[in-house]
Amino acid sequence: DAGVIQSPRHEVTEMGQEVTLRCKPISGHDYLFWYRQTMMRGLELLIYFNNNVPIDDSGMPEDRFSAKMPNASFSTLKIQPSEPRDSAVYFCASSWWDTGDEQFFGPGTRLTVL
Amino acid sequence: GDSVTQMEGPVTLSEEAFLTINCTYTATGYPSLFWYVQYPGEGLQLLLKATKADDKGSNKGFEATYRKETTSFHLEKGSVQVSDSAVYFCAAFPSGGGADGLTFGKGTHLIIQP
Repeated sequence: DAGVIQSPRHEVTEMGQEVTLRCKPISGHDYLFWYRQTMMRGLELLIYFNNNVPIDDSGMPEDRFSAKMPNASFSTLKIQPSEPRDSAVYFCASSWWDTGDEQFFGPGTRLTVL
Repeated sequence: GDSVTQMEGPVTLSEEAFLTINCTYTATGYPSLFWYVQYPGEGLQLLLKATKADDKGSNKGFEATYRKETTSFHLEKGSVQVSDSAVYFCAAFPSGGGADGLTFGKGTHLIIQP
């Protein structure tokens, strides 16, 4: 199994531009999570999906952030417009229904907004 | 809500030293407890887990024992190596909770010097 796949691994953009981060979860996993990691705030859960349906997006910082999961093998996290304070590492993770306590993380996308 | 507190870093040790990283939790009931490790440039990966009181999780020479009386899950290793340099996250998952219940500590950066 290839594990959770994220793209791009690095993204540098200018303030005001739209940014789209992509994730492919492990096949068969029912849950998908988006996290943000910064030095100041640590690891924050942004949103998670169960069977492609968003369950809890209370961690999404503002309306500039949106996430979709059109099918079981693909999810996107979009920031529009981006701001310098969005600079962080964004992780996608997935897990099975009956072992939801163990999450499998992707390698992350390091986003820099200038 | 549930919370996890772990010692601040960075923790700097010499190779072959004994390691302890403290972790305590606050939760209703008896959560499952985890240690995740994040190597440079990678996502988090599960290191070990314990699901009930007095259980000991172990992996790669690391150990942690679920102490209900002190609500703790301290990570230990008898002889650290340079390759153990990473960020270590303690996490708790409440019993009977949904997949969003995994709560992470802020992480402890471990640096092992040769």
